Amino acid sequence: DTGVSQDPRHKITKRGQNVTFRCDPISEHNRLYWYRQTLGQGPEFLTYFQNEAQLEKSRLLSDRFSAERPKGSFSTLEIQRTEQGDSAMYLCASSKGRPPEQFFGPGTRLTVL
Amino acid sequence: KNQVEQSPQSLIILEGKNCTLQCNYTVSPFSNLRWYKQDTGRGPVSLTIMTFSENTKSNGRYTATLDADTKQSSLHITASQLSDSASYICVVRDNNAGNMLTFGGGTRLMVKP
Repeated sequence: DTGVSQDPRHKITKRGQNVTFRCDPISEHNRLYWYRQTLGQGPEFLTYFQNEAQLEKSRLLSDRFSAERPKGSFSTLEIQRTEQGDSAMYLCASSKGRPPEQFFGPGTRLTVL
Repeated sequence: KNQVEQSPQSLIILEGKNCTLQCNYTVSPFSNLRWYKQDTGRGPVSLTIMTFSENTKSNGRYTATLDADTKQSSLHITASQLSDSASYICVVRDNNAGNMLTFGGGTRLMVKP
């Protein structure tokens, strides 16, 4: 399967713990995006990388959230001191070319107890 | 603030029937509009992408229309199948917003036998 993959698919954690998610984009896609989606809503943009550079960040990305893409391939999204409001589906997408058609991964569902 | 509004929020139809989902947006200047299908617990999958100059685009039993003057789009599903049960999300790209997309809240479609 050469699509976008995300790991883990599900994560349950206690409030205050740190969590880290991984996204592996489609090979040779230079752009990578993170979104958050709550139940019954459309995805909300969090951040965007072109290669290893983080070019855009949403105001939704508080200082407890950090994303990296150190080698321009896979990316990680870390949430520190999780809160119950962080419970959501975290989606990753990748793209290349013009227009940049985004291909989504299956998502990581986070539940904060 | 750019917005994408979808209606209805949810819809139940019988297998074999047709349906039309609506999308109104305020994004301006407009670059392109996409319809995604999202199965429960999965990432969105692109159905169609339409630019400013396109009025209609089909993908199998899915036909999307776009009226850029009234800022409205519709997704028509013909001869619905049980596998069409999913959320359908309208996504608009702002020409001035780089790679950021604005997502609608989606229409949850259930096709019953």
